[in-house]
Amino acid sequence: GAVVSQHPSWVICKSGTSVKIECRSLDFQATTMFWYRQFPKQSLMLMATSNEGSKATYEQGVEKDKFLINHASLTLSTLTVTSAHPEDSSFYICSAIGLATTSTDTQYFGPGTRLTVL
Amino acid sequence: AQTVTQSQPEMSVQEAETVTLSCTYDTSESDYYLFWYKQPPSRQMILVIRQEAYKQQNATENRFSVNFQKAAKSFSLKISDSQLGDAAMYFCAYRSALRRSQGNLIFGKGTKLSVKP
Repeated sequence: GAVVSQHPSWVICKSGTSVKIECRSLDFQATTMFWYRQFPKQSLMLMATSNEGSKATYEQGVEKDKFLINHASLTLSTLTVTSAHPEDSSFYICSAIGLATTSTDTQYFGPGTRLTVL
Repeated sequence: AQTVTQSQPEMSVQEAETVTLSCTYDTSESDYYLFWYKQPPSRQMILVIRQEAYKQQNATENRFSVNFQKAAKSFSLKISDSQLGDAAMYFCAYRSALRRSQGNLIFGKGTKLSVKP
């Protein structure tokens, strides 16, 4: 139980285009979802926190208009990188806390999405 | 603000031996949770073990156990009978128990564990 999926696992796009990454909780309802960014050989950096049906809370320094987060249902959150540039290339990871998991205090992570912007 | 420090960027252990990864944290809160996550080369974050701060008993999960010293704000991970599959990046993480925290994790910088056959 407590499985989180992400799609796509790897995406390459041209500079200036937008990319959407999906995060789904497969066997539980995610009351809260988190989006992280991870640079090579570094720790995870929290970008934003989203609750179903409400606006995401962004961390300081994260551009809200560039990284659009939608948490439309209890099993799906999306991250859209708008007008992507090479500096947006990174590994993006989502996680979720939810109901009917073994622990409502534990974040369960998706497998991540590698974004490469040419 | 809370911080998590992992002072060992890299560690190495011989297969079947025991290794301890260090983690210290700083907080003014009395109720919180601590976690160890493992990130293998696949980059999938895997929960290794969790500890509730209000519990004095150290958490254990098979070959993994923690030494939780609340007064010292220390939370080390011991891996017994190390296996090749234990090779990974290990992250220590803190989560406030306060409702307003929304449950977000504060991560340390990680410790890269190598296992020698």
